[in-house]
Amino acid sequence: GAGVSQSPSNKVTEKGKDVELRCDPISGHTALYWYRQSLGQGLEFLIYFQGNSAPDKSGLPSDRFSAERTGGSVSTLTIQRTQQEDSAVYLCASSFEGSYEQYFGPGTRLTVT
Amino acid sequence: GDSVTQMEGPVTLSEEACLTINCTYTATGYPSLFWYVQYPGEGLQLLLKATKADDKGSNKGFEATYRKETTSFHLEKGSVQVSDSAVYFCALSDRSGYSTLTFGKGTMLLVSP
Repeated sequence: GAGVSQSPSNKVTEKGKDVELRCDPISGHTALYWYRQSLGQGLEFLIYFQGNSAPDKSGLPSDRFSAERTGGSVSTLTIQRTQQEDSAVYLCASSFEGSYEQYFGPGTRLTVT
Repeated sequence: GDSVTQMEGPVTLSEEACLTINCTYTATGYPSLFWYVQYPGEGLQLLLKATKADDKGSNKGFEATYRKETTSFHLEKGSVQVSDSAVYFCALSDRSGYSTLTFGKGTMLLVSP
């Protein structure tokens, strides 16, 4: 079956612009996670969704970052007023609720110039 | 908070050599432990997991044993192949009802023919 998909695969934006990153989880997976992979910091957790609600937003680095999920499926991560330090690969993962096995998408590489 | 420490790379080996990538963790409870692999140009894939002390996870010739007494989960393979060249991430998930992953910084493995 289809895996986790993310779009766009690459995004180059100018400092100060807003960007939206999209994640389509595996059908039937109610848990959805966003992570960030950057050279200096490794892989960091950003936010967790259970259905459409986000009980854990503890990894969001600033109030410029927000995310939503609709219909228990697609999720969008929005970064406002992008900064150069936001440059990273943003990864989405999904799983069945309560399962320890997360399936990762290919990521979106964001470059802020 | 939880943390994972793994040896820095790159690790360079010849084909058929033995591999060990060290991983130790700090967690308040009894986490589940994972090894993820990222092949060049691809997304993260779960390689193996162990959910309780003394469990051994294994897959594709790789093994790791959950050692609670030493808080370790070292990855081993008896004979590596060129196709094993990738970045390997050790990770843990605490038992908090959902499975946010805390990752190590990753270890690059380069296997030459």
